[in-house]
Amino acid sequence: ETGVTQTPRHLVMGMTNKKSLKCEQHLGHNAMYWYKQSAKKPLELMFVYSLEERVENNSVPSRFSPECPNSSHLFLHLHTLQPEDSALYLCASSRHWTANEKLFFGSGTQLSVL
Amino acid sequence: SQQGEEDPQALSIQEGENATMNCSYKTSINNLQWYRQNSGRGLVHLILIRSNEREKHSGRLRVTLDTSKKSSSLLITASRAADTASYFCATDLNSGYSTLTFGKGTMLLVSP
Repeated sequence: ETGVTQTPRHLVMGMTNKKSLKCEQHLGHNAMYWYKQSAKKPLELMFVYSLEERVENNSVPSRFSPECPNSSHLFLHLHTLQPEDSALYLCASSRHWTANEKLFFGSGTQLSVL
Repeated sequence: SQQGEEDPQALSIQEGENATMNCSYKTSINNLQWYRQNSGRGLVHLILIRSNEREKHSGRLRVTLDTSKKSSSLLITASRAADTASYFCATDLNSGYSTLTFGKGTMLLVSP
């Protein structure tokens, strides 16, 4: 176990649904990340939170809405998604949002949008 | 734009053989990291090599970095079936902040 837990592991949703992905880290880290992994594409960094403040937002559509209520929890709220949003969504954490830090990943949520 | 790019895209070997994967990148980096991903799971950090280092070892793993050629290699010696996974390089740009950019990965299959 990496110390980063994501729920649910699998999610199927319609284009009009609203759902949330949850991530929890038990490592005492100060930075948390959302990545998107689509088939045959590199991992895409979506959002970065450092000390509960959003510090990176890589041109992600507004139908994805992150929330970081404290340094241990990270959510990704989803609404009116498109089929092309189907992917593996990975949460990660690191001690700090600085260079030379390694990331600890959760097992991901496999999302299918119908 | 994609920073790291792994080569080959796929590699198939027998148990006991060595596996070498390469990564090329385009701009100046702070460090380069290698991660492993089993099918449908999260990534696991393997090794980090800083821009002022040329080689690092961890168990059966050996990573080299050539900043003049903007390339890195990951060598897995005496491979095992359990090494079957996708391997990704990630580059951390020289910005002072963690800005890891991943490649598409090399899929390694080790047959018993």
